[in-house]
Amino acid sequence: GEDVEQSLFLSVREGDSSVINCTYTDSSSTYLYWYKQEPGAGLQLLTYIFSNMDMKQDQRLTVLLNKKDKHLSLRIADTQTGDSAIYFCAAYGGSQGNLIFGKGTKLSVKP
Amino acid sequence: EADIYQTPRYLVIGTGKKITLECSQTMGHDKMYWYQQDPGMELHLIHYSYGVNSTEKGDLSSESTVSRIRTEHFPLTLESARPSHTSQYLCASSEYGQGRNEQYFGPGTRLTVT
Repeated sequence: GEDVEQSLFLSVREGDSSVINCTYTDSSSTYLYWYKQEPGAGLQLLTYIFSNMDMKQDQRLTVLLNKKDKHLSLRIADTQTGDSAIYFCAAYGGSQGNLIFGKGTKLSVKP
Repeated sequence: EADIYQTPRYLVIGTGKKITLECSQTMGHDKMYWYQQDPGMELHLIHYSYGVNSTEKGDLSSESTVSRIRTEHFPLTLESARPSHTSQYLCASSEYGQGRNEQYFGPGTRLTVT
């Protein structure tokens, strides 16, 4: 079945760009998602990309998809302290049509 | 803006008590989910439902049970709470069928069993 992997930690300085990477195994995943979780809260859908796209930009967020390598990345431009959170990558997998989540990347932004 | 609610937000309860965690959504979504989240961040799917009268077990075995009598309501019950049940529980919902079907999450219930 689908497996989604992402690195666990990323630390950047305020104002720098952050790049969070994710790999997935099921090439038939049609939509791929990025979620954000702030402390003590649920997951918030940040953005998604359809599998026939290479890139999607939404204000400070850029999603890049390399379908050949099954690699997804989320770039946050001009990272702010308010971007400190856990970021989850997710893809569809399995016959049940459920989302498969990565383990989450904890982004720390230093002032 | 997702409209999915969970109560209580925080619960501290003694071992052996029966508890029900409530989850409601006003989006008319057919599919609903319960996740258990480790302190180490990882999400584990414990239950899901395709619609009224449908309940399915998720990837992680859980002693909890769920019911789906109404589309908008998906409560989770622990008959006898134990310290090992201490965790964050997240409820989510989505449309079901072709298309994006992204999941929308509630704010979570932090459960502590003493």
